[in-house]
Amino acid sequence: AQSVSQHNHHVILSEAASLELGCNYSYGGTVNLFWYVQYPGQHLQLLLKYFSGDPLVKGIKGFEAEFIKSKFSFNLRKPSVQWSDTAEYFCAGDGEAGNMLTFGGGTRLMVKP
Amino acid sequence: GAGVSQSPRYKVAKRGQDVALRCDPISGHVSLFWYQQALGQGPEFLTYFQNEAQLDKSGLPSDRFFAERPEGSVSTLKIQRTQQEDSAVYLCASSPRGQGSGAFFGQGTRLTVV
Repeated sequence: AQSVSQHNHHVILSEAASLELGCNYSYGGTVNLFWYVQYPGQHLQLLLKYFSGDPLVKGIKGFEAEFIKSKFSFNLRKPSVQWSDTAEYFCAGDGEAGNMLTFGGGTRLMVKP
Repeated sequence: GAGVSQSPRYKVAKRGQDVALRCDPISGHVSLFWYQQALGQGPEFLTYFQNEAQLDKSGLPSDRFFAERPEGSVSTLKIQRTQQEDSAVYLCASSPRGQGSGAFFGQGTRLTVV
């Protein structure tokens, strides 16, 4: 069965610190991977997605993620976080059919000014 | 509208009541998804439509849950005889043809069953 897991439930950083949020997946066959962000009181927004090709994917707001097939990972990174990055981050994946997303449990990021 | 719109934003239902949650997807989007998000957890897939056809309803937790999209645009998720365990945020998402499930999400309907 397909699954996505995020091991960090809560992360607290100071502004300008570097960020890496872990995501591991378990899928048979083709996998598409996504990172979503949910700011307080707002809807889920797509940060970036990986379908195929270059395993280093750049998204909005300075975020990037690297697909490492051998490690079944798709970690989210940002070199220098800002207070405005405080949010909950969700990793998600779907298979070749592209008809449903499987989400990880989410990581709450708090950035202290 | 510019985004996915869901109504109501909040719903309090007495146990045993029926509820109907509405989703207006982005105009022209072929695919529509419903997810359930319990407190402190990630969203979980409920059902998927392509136009008016419900292609996957494997995530619906019981036969009390029913979804429809009769004209291929607006969708309604109905929950009959609500139970306390149905309390959650119900998210709707839509995506254009060929974009798979990397969809645009609405703000959700927070259902509280008392």
